[in-house]
Amino acid sequence: NAGVTQTPKFQVLKTGQSMTLQCAQDMNHNSMYWYRQDPGMGLRLIYYSASEGTTDKGEVPNGYNVSRLNKREFSLRLESAAPSQTSVYFCASSEALEKLFFGSGTQLSVL
Amino acid sequence: QKEVEQDPGPLSVPEGAIVSLNCTYSNSAFQYFMWYRQYSRKGPELLMYTYSSGNKEDGRFTAQVDKSSKYISLFIRDSQPSDSATYLCAMRANNAGNMLTFGGGTRLMVKP
Repeated sequence: NAGVTQTPKFQVLKTGQSMTLQCAQDMNHNSMYWYRQDPGMGLRLIYYSASEGTTDKGEVPNGYNVSRLNKREFSLRLESAAPSQTSVYFCASSEALEKLFFGSGTQLSVL
Repeated sequence: QKEVEQDPGPLSVPEGAIVSLNCTYSNSAFQYFMWYRQYSRKGPELLMYTYSSGNKEDGRFTAQVDKSSKYISLFIRDSQPSDSATYLCAMRANNAGNMLTFGGGTRLMVKP
């Protein structure tokens, strides 16, 4: 059972470079989310998509863009990476907001 | 001040001990309360979910919510080394849409 699959698992970028984090879920969930996790800060919502074709900003959207490609896939793009975006990124999906299913994360370092 | 506070730990206990993990919060509108467990280099997974006040039990795990004190707890009975992980509390208000507010997590180590 794959669940939520994120790629890549690790990435190192230089300041100003761009990249896209990919996420796919096979549970037929309508809602998908991107979070970042920083030490001591908990998980913070970057963007979410309540259903195919819709996206909305979360708590910390600046510097990011998202695309809900279809019901399965939700990508996160950093257009011009900054050191402040060094973090662990998690994609999640759900039918009920209280029960999120998370991927294994992408560890991103921006130098 | 953060909306949801958790002691980061680490909390180290011997195998078989009863563990108490806690969160305090400031937003009285929170109605939904969750506990997630996160193993090292993995994504969080939902352990327990409660609505409003009261207790909920699932096997060795008990979740308690005290809304009057703005305090939630997760108790783990007969703790096992496999319980070693970071435990995150999360909360949501009725009118919060898709916004969950997470605590920073408490790292638990259960020693054999």
